[in-house]
Amino acid sequence: DIQMTQSPSSLSASVGDRVTITCQASQDITNYLNWYQQKPGKAPKLLIYDASNLETGVPSRFSGSGSGTDFTFAISSLQPEDIATYYCQQYDTLWTFGQGTNVEIK
Amino acid sequence: QLQLQESGPGLVKPSETLSLTCTVSGGSISSSGYYWGWVRQPPGKGLEWVGSIYYSGTTYYNPSLESRVTISVDTSKNHFSLKLTSVIAADSAIYYCARHDCSSGRCKYFDYWGQGTLVTVSS
Repeated sequence: DIQMTQSPSSLSASVGDRVTITCQASQDITNYLNWYQQKPGKAPKLLIYDASNLETGVPSRFSGSGSGTDFTFAISSLQPEDIATYYCQQYDTLWTFGQGTNVEIK
Repeated sequence: QLQLQESGPGLVKPSETLSLTCTVSGGSISSSGYYWGWVRQPPGKGLEWVGSIYYSGTTYYNPSLESRVTISVDTSKNHFSLKLTSVIAADSAIYYCARHDCSSGRCKYFDYWGQGTLVTVSS
């Protein structure tokens, strides 16, 4: 099984700050990685696919990078509506999610 | 607009079988290139993929649940179903159904989701 490890598990930042989340795979997954946003009481929403491609309609302040085992998700300028939990998900072998990163406003 | 809606009992007794159905509207479950999946989320915890099915009946299951999970599809009713046997308290979760995009030849992401349904395992 491929394990996905996200860090940090939670973070607090000010509006306008740059926020970064990392996701590490237990083995090489090339670029087979997605990022989702989940707001409280809602289903997850796809933001980034293939590690760095922005889903249609997603604001450009969201971005993703990385390949192999190490990946990064970033919000260039944190907005109040970005308060959510963010998950990475690999699709190299079956499908596994990271444990999530809770983003709060300071 | 594609919509998915979960339905089924919200309370299941330990050792019994959890049964849920996901009804798809606004599109056909028989569309080529898409699997249909279940993802669950214990209260306050992260996401876990349960399994996925193609309209032909081909399935993939999470190895940790495979001995207890069956996913089936009914194309005439445009819905697919989940059965999880011998449930325990740890199976209590919000269960989401979702479309699994495999149109590129590799099943990548879940792009349409139901609202989720909470299932509690308790006597």
